Amino acid sequence: DVKVTQSSRYLVKRTGEKVFLECVQDMDHENMFWYRQDPGLGLRLIYFSYDVKMKEKGDIPEGYSVSREKKERFSLILESASTNQTSMYLCASTPSQGGNQPQHFGDGTRLSIL
Amino acid sequence: GDSVTQMEGPVTLSEEAFLTINCTYTATGYPSLFWYVQYPGEGLQLLLKATKADDKGSNKGFEATYRKETTSFHLEKGSVQVSDSAVYFCALSGYGGSQGNLIFGKGTKLSVKP
Repeated sequence: DVKVTQSSRYLVKRTGEKVFLECVQDMDHENMFWYRQDPGLGLRLIYFSYDVKMKEKGDIPEGYSVSREKKERFSLILESASTNQTSMYLCASTPSQGGNQPQHFGDGTRLSIL
Repeated sequence: GDSVTQMEGPVTLSEEAFLTINCTYTATGYPSLFWYVQYPGEGLQLLLKATKADDKGSNKGFEATYRKETTSFHLEKGSVQVSDSAVYFCALSGYGGSQGNLIFGKGTKLSVKP
């Protein structure tokens, strides 16, 4: 089975801090994704990556950046955390064959910015 | 652009009741369609999928049929259990340059009472 591991289940940070959320997958998938999940808004795509060192903006990239130095690892970075970035963050991966392949999700990181 | 609309919740049912969660979509091309489930405190898990018109996806007693003529992918289960209490997301795959991306509905929360 595909395993997508997010480094923290719960995280509490302060306003203005630089925050790193880590995601690792063990199935050699090319595509990786970061979403945030908020009540009433569903899942919104922040960034995705089709290959090492490659990144594409999703629907809500403002205030975030990403890093993909190795195929298995995709990091989400909050450059200067703000309270409106308090949310559940979900990482996902999928192989390169595209459209009919499901995404595999990690368990999520619930991030609180105080 | 592509979009997914699913019925708003919450939905509350008694055990052994029949479940329908409506999902309709707007898309160019021929997307694949998915239902994901999120149990409390967890990430999303693939529940079922369908990759072309008239396909029926099924898993754990849940079913959904890809209806191109009505652009729908409604989720059904004949007899729900308390353990089915979760949030359900309908999703479609991106097309062309967005292959691998998923577009999600906002989720429907289901509560099943004993």
